[in-house]
Formats: sequence, structure tokens, C-alpha cells
Amino acid sequence: ELKVEQNPLFLSMQEGKNYTIYCNYSTTSDRLYWYRQDPGKSLESLFVLLSNGAVKQEGRLMASLDTKARLSTLHITAAVHDLSATYFCAVDSSGGGADGLTFGKGTHLIIQP
Amino acid sequence: NAGVTQTPKFRVLKTGQSMTLLCAQDMNHEYMYWYRQDPGMGLRLIHYSVGEGTTAKGEVPDGYNVSRLKKQNFLLGLESAAPSQTSVYFCASSYSTTGNPYEQYFGPGTRLTVT
Repeated sequence: ELKVEQNPLFLSMQEGKNYTIYCNYSTTSDRLYWYRQDPGKSLESLFVLLSNGAVKQEGRLMASLDTKARLSTLHITAAVHDLSATYFCAVDSSGGGADGLTFGKGTHLIIQP
Repeated sequence: NAGVTQTPKFRVLKTGQSMTLLCAQDMNHEYMYWYRQDPGMGLRLIHYSVGEGTTAKGEVPDGYNVSRLKKQNFLLGLESAAPSQTSVYFCASSYSTTGNPYEQYFGPGTRLTVT
């Protein structure tokens, strides 16, 4: 059974600081996804990581994937209040691609002025 | 394009009642999914479909049925609702390309309360 663990589950930080969210998963997979969810809203795709060593950046967010360690990180640089949200990582459930995703429990991020 | 839409947005049921949630997508995606989201649990896969006329069970399928009679629609049914099915339900669709294989696009969600 595939397990996806995120930590921390809750993070309160100040604007301007840097921090990293970690996502560990239990079985082999070459595809990892990061999503953002604002309160009461749907999920918005942030990054799709397709291979070992993949790194993607968008604004103050950077995601990376180490398939050998079964670890992905989401790094936040010089945080701003607008980045407050819940962030989820997700992994292919079966490795086949079309069979759905297994999600972590999410990291609730609050960025305070 | 409307993307992925869900009907209804909110619903309150009494225990034992039945209902159907409708998901529609206008992106010609082959794959569609139903998830439920509970506080502190992330999203969990209920059922999914890899093509018109085909469905499969996900992680938490008990108490739900699905149908995909048309490529653009994916229906989730609750035959006899239970309080444990109180949740937010999300539909998603995806496709495969070289750049972003199986990236999932989510609908706005349906908030269901069973009393």
C-alpha cells in the first residue's frame, strides 16, 4: 500500500523567511505532484515532477524530486502572505499513471506579516 | 472552456436517502476520478475511470457506485447515505502528454452533509 507522508502538517512562519516542506512516499514512483488549496476552494496544480533530479520553480516556490530517496521538497523563498494555503503532495497510486493519486495529508501554511 | 464542473455544490441528506453527484468536463480528457476530502485526511480516491464505459475502485469505494456512460461525464452515486459519508467530494480529470502526464484538473467540489 502506497503511503505519502508530509511534514510538517502545520507551519506558521513570518514574511521574508525561507522554509521547506517535505514529502516522503513508500513505493517506487517517477511522478510526483504538488497542489495548492485555499480555504473552501478546489485544488490548483503547482508542479508536476517527472523524473529523478527534477527541479521546477515558479516565483517563490521551488519543488524537487529525489526518486532514490523517495523524497520531494517544496521550498519557499522569502515568504509572502499570499502564499498562505494548504499544500499537498501526491503520487501515482499504481505507477501506471491513469489510476489516480495518493495524497499526503497536507501542510497548512500560515505566513504572518 | 468551463473545465471541470460539479453539480450540486451543496447538499444535505438524511441517513438512508440516495443521491447522485454529477461531474462534467469539456476538455476531452480520457481519465476521470472521484475523491473525498475529510479534515486532516488529505484526499482519498473513491472510484476512477480510464475511459468511457469503464470504472474501477479506488482506496475507499464502499457505499458508492459510479458510472461513465459518456466520456465527458462521471457520476457518483450514494444508494443509502450514512453520516460517515459527510465530506467534500472532488471530481478530477486528466490526460497524458509528454510534458505533463496524468496531471489532474479538479472541479470546485460538492459539500455533502448527512444527518
